[in-house]
Amino acid sequence: GAGVSQSPSNKVTEKGKDVELRCDPISGHTALYWYRQSLGQGLEFLIYFQGNSAPDKSGLPSDRFSAERTGGSVSTLTIQRTQQEDSAVYLCASSLTAGTPRNEQFFGPGTRLTVL
Amino acid sequence: DAKTTQPNSMESNEEEPVHLPCNHSTISGTDYIHWYRQLPSQGPEYVIHGLTSNVNNRMASLAIAEDRKSSTLILHRATLRDAAVYYCILRDPRYRGGGADGLTFGKGTHLIIQP
Repeated sequence: GAGVSQSPSNKVTEKGKDVELRCDPISGHTALYWYRQSLGQGLEFLIYFQGNSAPDKSGLPSDRFSAERTGGSVSTLTIQRTQQEDSAVYLCASSLTAGTPRNEQFFGPGTRLTVL
Repeated sequence: DAKTTQPNSMESNEEEPVHLPCNHSTISGTDYIHWYRQLPSQGPEYVIHGLTSNVNNRMASLAIAEDRKSSTLILHRATLRDAAVYYCILRDPRYRGGGADGLTFGKGTHLIIQP
């Protein structure tokens, strides 16, 4: 079946512009996760959704970052007034449900964001 | 969260077994041990997980020490496609519904496979 998909695969933007990154989880997966991976850095967890609800937004790097999920499916990660330090690969993952440590997470290919 | 320690890199030859170690001396009794790997230019992929007993699946085996303070991911016959960064991650079931449900990736072990 189809895996997690993300769009766009690559995004180049100018400093100060807003960007929107999209994630389509695996059908039937109620939990959705956003991570980012900066050059030379490890994978950093940002936020997760159980259904349409995000219980904890403290992992978002700043108030320029926001995320939403509608219909328990597609999610968008929005970065306002982008800065050069936002350049990274943004990864989305989904799993059957959250809060169950046995469940594996399935990752998408990522969106490579470059802020000039 | 309990922390894991892995070697920065390891090298092995193709078609030979590979044993990737992970130390987690502060693991709690309820932490699950998960392994993910990230191939070049791809998102991470799940490999295997376990709690107390050794586990096998089509990709690998997971050997867990009796005191659970360490574990070893075993690739029985490495191929060039197994060259990746391997991450050992602990997941705590007590953090239901909290931000800790996200995976905490360390630096992992960069596995190099020689043909």
